[in-house]
Amino acid sequence: NAGVTQTPKFQVLKTGQSMTLQCAQDMNHEYMSWYRQDPGMGLRLIHYSVGAGITDQGEVPNGYNVSRSTTEDFPLRLLSAAPSQTSVYFCASREQGTNTEAFFGQGTRLTVV
Amino acid sequence: AQSVTQLDSHVSVSEGTPVLLRCNYSSSYSPSLFWYVQHPNKGLQLLLKYTSAATLVKGINGFEAEFKKSETSFHLTKPSAHMSDAAEYFCVVSDWNDYKLSFGAGTTVTVRA
Repeated sequence: NAGVTQTPKFQVLKTGQSMTLQCAQDMNHEYMSWYRQDPGMGLRLIHYSVGAGITDQGEVPNGYNVSRSTTEDFPLRLLSAAPSQTSVYFCASREQGTNTEAFFGQGTRLTVV
Repeated sequence: AQSVTQLDSHVSVSEGTPVLLRCNYSSSYSPSLFWYVQHPNKGLQLLLKYTSAATLVKGINGFEAEFKKSETSFHLTKPSAHMSDAAEYFCVVSDWNDYKLSFGAGTTVTVRA
């Protein structure tokens, strides 16, 4: 089925550990992005990419790295997890043209202890 | 810069009564506006979008929204609430020349039997 696939769905990390959240889309969308969702704050943009080899920071980039080696994949790396990074993370992709909607993955619930 | 304010953090309605979710936006250019719904522990689903065509936009599940430029509003309505409408709703804005989406803080809808 076409769409955005995120893995894992759930993850518990210890403070200081690193990990990568995976995101893949099969719709050939140029634009991909990562958001974190915290209660009462909506979704906040972490990083985004407008195409392979191009990434940029969003609203809350600190503590996260991204890369975009292919159109399909956009992994998010936590370098040294902190309890403040406990959140639900969503990956999204969007077709070219700014009046198009974004397609979201099912989310990754991350807990840092 | 674009931003969204959802005027109600929580709305409670009785089944069969109308639902109104209020959204005001700020945008430097002609905006695209979206409403997304998130059911508990699920991803985000597009309800409807406005992209400079008709100002009254019809979406899925009986929802509709009206774009009012003079009031910078994009309120979401449904004539008759159903129990399955219990969810969190997000108003989202995107400037015409920007891929980035800005989310409101969300409105939680509770439907009473």
